[in-house]
Amino acid sequence: EPEVTQTPSHQVTQMGQEVILRCVPISNHLYFYWYRQILGQKVEFLVSFYNNEISEKSEIFDDQFSVERPDGSNFTLKIRSTKLEDSAMYFCASSQWEGGNTGELFFGEGSRLTVL
Amino acid sequence: QKEVEQNSGPLSVPEGAIASLNCTYSDRGSQSFFWYRQYSGKSPELIMSIYSNGDKEDGRFTAQLNKASQYVSLLIRDSQPSDSATYLCAVRNQGGKLIFGQGTELSVKP
Repeated sequence: EPEVTQTPSHQVTQMGQEVILRCVPISNHLYFYWYRQILGQKVEFLVSFYNNEISEKSEIFDDQFSVERPDGSNFTLKIRSTKLEDSAMYFCASSQWEGGNTGELFFGEGSRLTVL
Repeated sequence: QKEVEQNSGPLSVPEGAIASLNCTYSDRGSQSFFWYRQYSGKSPELIMSIYSNGDKEDGRFTAQLNKASQYVSLLIRDSQPSDSATYLCAVRNQGGKLIFGQGTELSVKP
């Protein structure tokens, strides 16, 4: 069964360092997303991406964050200068469409980011 | 008002019982509704989607949607200890964004 894959599964970094989280969405999906979940809290929307551009972003997704689809398969989230409060599980998700019966999001296993 | 609201629980039911999970949402124009299951430390796993008023059954799971009341529920029949997890209600709002509730922790006791 097709799945969303994410790397790395866990990254530890020092505050102020840049981090890139990578995702390979399901191959025939057109919409891509990043969500995060701080330990013990709810899953929060960060950004959605379609047709090589951001379609929507949340207040969390400030100038420290960027996304890119550098080739036909990878979808990356970059945090330019990490802060302690960026420590969370980051989930990549993809969907075939954004509406109707195929608007279901499928999530990767997540990348746990720990900022020291 | 929270966009998607769930009781955080924990909800404890005995094995074999029916577990009932509830969710309300604020955006009346929302069209797509989902239930995800999340085991501790794992990613959300889609278990049900529902798009029109009424009930939708899939095995031991039944999703119920009432758009007039802005209410979605999930029933789990014959609950098993392996159903113990956090259940996330998610609603796709008019803008297309999928918003999650806080999640309800379900514990099924043998």
